[in-house]
Amino acid sequence: QQQVKQSPQSLIVQKGGISIINCAYENTAFDYFPWYQQFPGKGPALLIAIRPDVSEKKEGRFTISFNKSAKQFSLHIMDSQPGDSATYFCAASFETSGSRLTFGEGTQLTVNP
Amino acid sequence: GAVVSQHPSWVICKSGTSVKIECRSLDFQATTMFWYRQFPKQSLMLMATSNEGSKATYEQGVEKDKFLINHASLTLSTLTVTSAHPEDSSFYICSAGKGGNTIYFGEGSWLTVV
Repeated sequence: QQQVKQSPQSLIVQKGGISIINCAYENTAFDYFPWYQQFPGKGPALLIAIRPDVSEKKEGRFTISFNKSAKQFSLHIMDSQPGDSATYFCAASFETSGSRLTFGEGTQLTVNP
Repeated sequence: GAVVSQHPSWVICKSGTSVKIECRSLDFQATTMFWYRQFPKQSLMLMATSNEGSKATYEQGVEKDKFLINHASLTLSTLTVTSAHPEDSSFYICSAGKGGNTIYFGEGSWLTVV
């Protein structure tokens, strides 16, 4: 059972544009929602994370929007740059699981110059 | 710098042999580490949870006798792929929690079985 669904599968954005990636989860026990960035041949790197007690978190050009009632969260990348081209994964976990993450399917982002 | 280190970064082995991949937490102790497998253009698939001082917990469908996990210390977990076959060729990634829910991943290890 896929507990975290991510869309779109791929995304092409022009430089300077806004990239938006969406995720939906099923398990209401999840209480931690990170986003990871992965470049080809590398391990995922933590980008930004949010807990369900806040509706938005911003770090530089990256913003997470969280809608608890809809069980959805999204990543917004403002002023997208070619260097942002990578695969992005949303994930979810809950405290009693330790660090056990459930990942979305991933979104391959391409930012054209 | 990296807080979770994997070694080797890539390895080629012959079919039927065994290969070991190490995962180290560099500046923190991790009682639990996780091993993932990732095929090209796919998401990370959790294989097992490595527990220091006890047996690993395997996900459904993962052969525990084929993928041996040892968590001998608070900073080291190893994954041994036994009797490797070409279908075991994949990108293997480990992760460890530094505290709370903050999780760091290793750089991954490419395994090619020929």
